[in-house]
Amino acid sequence: EAGVTQSPTHLIKTRGQQATLRCSPISGHTSVYWYQQALGLGLQFLLWYDEGEERNRGNFPPRFSGRQFPNYSSELNVNALELEDSALYLCASSLGLASGYTDTQYFGPGTRLTVL
Amino acid sequence: GESVGLHLPTLSVQEGDNSIINCAYSNSASDYFIWYKQESGKGPQFIIDIRSNMDKRQGQRVTVLLNKTVKHLSLQIAATQPGDSAVYFCAENMGSSNTGKLIFGQGTTLQVKP
Repeated sequence: EAGVTQSPTHLIKTRGQQATLRCSPISGHTSVYWYQQALGLGLQFLLWYDEGEERNRGNFPPRFSGRQFPNYSSELNVNALELEDSALYLCASSLGLASGYTDTQYFGPGTRLTVL
Repeated sequence: GESVGLHLPTLSVQEGDNSIINCAYSNSASDYFIWYKQESGKGPQFIIDIRSNMDKRQGQRVTVLLNKTVKHLSLQIAATQPGDSAVYFCAENMGSSNTGKLIFGQGTTLQVKP
C-alpha cells in the first residue's frame, strides 16, 4: 500500500515569492493535515482538510492557505514568503469524518522549503 | 497550556539494551497519544498509540505506558538496535474536541552505540 506522497522534495524560493506544495493521501483516507517543522522545533499544526473543507487551522497567518481536491489530494500555498518560513512541511492523512474518523495520522516524507 | 514535553533531549544506549523515552503532557482531557519515529531526512513514522482507557500497550519490541495520574507517557524499546537511532516524538490529541490537531513534543534523540 502506497503511503502519503509529497512533492516537490525540495523547493527554493526568494523572499516575497509564493510556494505551492502538494500532497497525496493514503488510498481511502479523506482527511489531510499540514504541519510545519522548523529547524530545532517540533511539529506545528497548520491545517486540516476533510471532504474538501477546511476543518481547522493552527496559529499561522492567512498567507498560509490550502485546498483539498475531489480526489482528496491537497495543496499548501504560502504567499509573500519570509525567511522564517524555511522549514520542512509535512503532510499527513487519516480516515475521514465520513468513514470512521480516527486520530491516527500517517505522515509523508515532507517538502523542504528554503527561502533566500 | 498546550504542550507535550520530553524529559531528555538525547538518550544514548548500548546496542542490545532496553531504551526508555519519557514524555509529559499537560492536558488532562487528552484521550489519545501517539509515538512517532523520525529518521534524518524523513517524515515521522507511526510506532504505536494508546488511548486513555488503557495503561499499557505492546507492539513488536515496543511498549507504551500511560500514567494519567501524573500525566506521563513512556516508550520502551526492547533490545535496542542501531536502526532504532532516530528522533522520537510523542504527540497528543486534544480528545473529544476533534480538532484534527496533534500537539508534538520537541523530540528525544536516541543514539545507539554498537
